[in-house]
Amino acid sequence: DAGVIQSPRHEVTEMGQEVTLRCKPISGHNSLFWYRQTMMRGLELLIYFNNNVPIDDSGMPEDRFSAKMPNASFSTLKIQPSEPRDSAVYFCASSSVPGISYEQYFGPGTRLTVT
Amino acid sequence: AQTVTQSQPEMSVQEAETVTLSCTYDTSESDYYLFWYKQPPSRQMILVIRQEAYKQQNATENRFSVNFQKAAKSFSLKISDSQLGDAAMYFCAYRSAPGANSKLTFGKGITLSVRP
Repeated sequence: DAGVIQSPRHEVTEMGQEVTLRCKPISGHNSLFWYRQTMMRGLELLIYFNNNVPIDDSGMPEDRFSAKMPNASFSTLKIQPSEPRDSAVYFCASSSVPGISYEQYFGPGTRLTVT
Repeated sequence: AQTVTQSQPEMSVQEAETVTLSCTYDTSESDYYLFWYKQPPSRQMILVIRQEAYKQQNATENRFSVNFQKAAKSFSLKISDSQLGDAAMYFCAYRSAPGANSKLTFGKGITLSVRP
């Protein structure tokens, strides 16, 4: 299996621009998670989906952030408009429900820089 | 809400020696899972080891083992025969039991360096 796939790996954009991050979970996994990692705040869960339905979006920082999962094999995280404080590494992870200990498998991350 | 605390921001170990990374957590739940993830400079998050709270036996994966103290809410990771490739950031994480909220709660992480 190819594992969790994220694109792009690196994104540099200017403040005010729209940014879209993409994720393809492991085939057969039906839970998908978006995390953000910064030096100051560590790893934070932004939102997660079960069977394409958003379950908990309490970690989404504000209305500028939105996430969708139109089907079992694709999810997007959009920031509009972007701000310099959004600079971080964004991870997507997936897991199988039910599965062994419900382990989450992480993608390689997208490093976002907003100037 | 559950919290995970890793109080040591950095640790260092001599190659071939043993090191223990500490983690404590707070929860009111009786059934849950605990994990240690490794994040090398490549940024990839790699699962190192997991522990089911209902199991009394400590988990072991090759050179990695845990000391799970449920009453003390402590979950430390022991790395034996440390190798240069073990240098990374290590995160402790908590997850509720199946059927409940399935999100992971992470500690702040600890940076481990290995001296040759």
